[in-house]
Amino acid sequence: GEDVEQSLFLSVREGDSSVINCTYTDSSSTYLYWYKQEPGAGLQLLTYIFSNMDMKQDQRLTVLLNKKDKHLSLRIADTQTGDSAIYFCAEMVGGSARQLTFGSGTQLTVLP
Amino acid sequence: NAGVTQTPKFQVLKTGQSMTLQCAQDMNHEYMSWYRQDPGMGLRLIHYSVGAGITDQGEVPNGYNVSRSTTEDFPLRLLSAAPSQTSVYFCASSYANSGDTQYFGPGTRLTVL
Repeated sequence: GEDVEQSLFLSVREGDSSVINCTYTDSSSTYLYWYKQEPGAGLQLLTYIFSNMDMKQDQRLTVLLNKKDKHLSLRIADTQTGDSAIYFCAEMVGGSARQLTFGSGTQLTVLP
Repeated sequence: NAGVTQTPKFQVLKTGQSMTLQCAQDMNHEYMSWYRQDPGMGLRLIHYSVGAGITDQGEVPNGYNVSRSTTEDFPLRLLSAAPSQTSVYFCASSYANSGDTQYFGPGTRLTVL
């Protein structure tokens, strides 16, 4: 079955790098996503990576994908207080349903 | 574009009451879906639709009905609310092509007493 796991909490100092990790179990995943949720708000897509890639960089964000270990990470460089939020990893498995399976989310707290 | 809109933002129901959560999008997206978010858990798919007139069940469909009479609207109905349905509900939409971004609404926070 499909399962996506993340650690629940991460604290970093402002200006440091943050690394949020995610593991998934379905090897037929086609796309893997990172969403950000600020308090009281909906989910905002940060970035995504296609399963045949191993890295994607977008400004301060770097996504690394290790298909062999089914491990996905999101690195945020120069973390700012505005980055404090819950970060969700999600996978899409191929097929007509286009369903997303989400992890439980990682609460990132950026300390001044 | 307004994107994905949801109403109401907050709702309190008593057990056994019925209500409809509204979702609308103005991006001409074929695909729409409903998720619920519970504390300490990720979002779980309730129902989805790949186009007008077509709906299907997700991971947790029991207690919910949907319909898709137009491309723009995808209402979620609770016929007889139960405390287990206390949650935050998110609607999302996207184009039908694989990998296309799913856009999420701001959510409806529902409490069932």
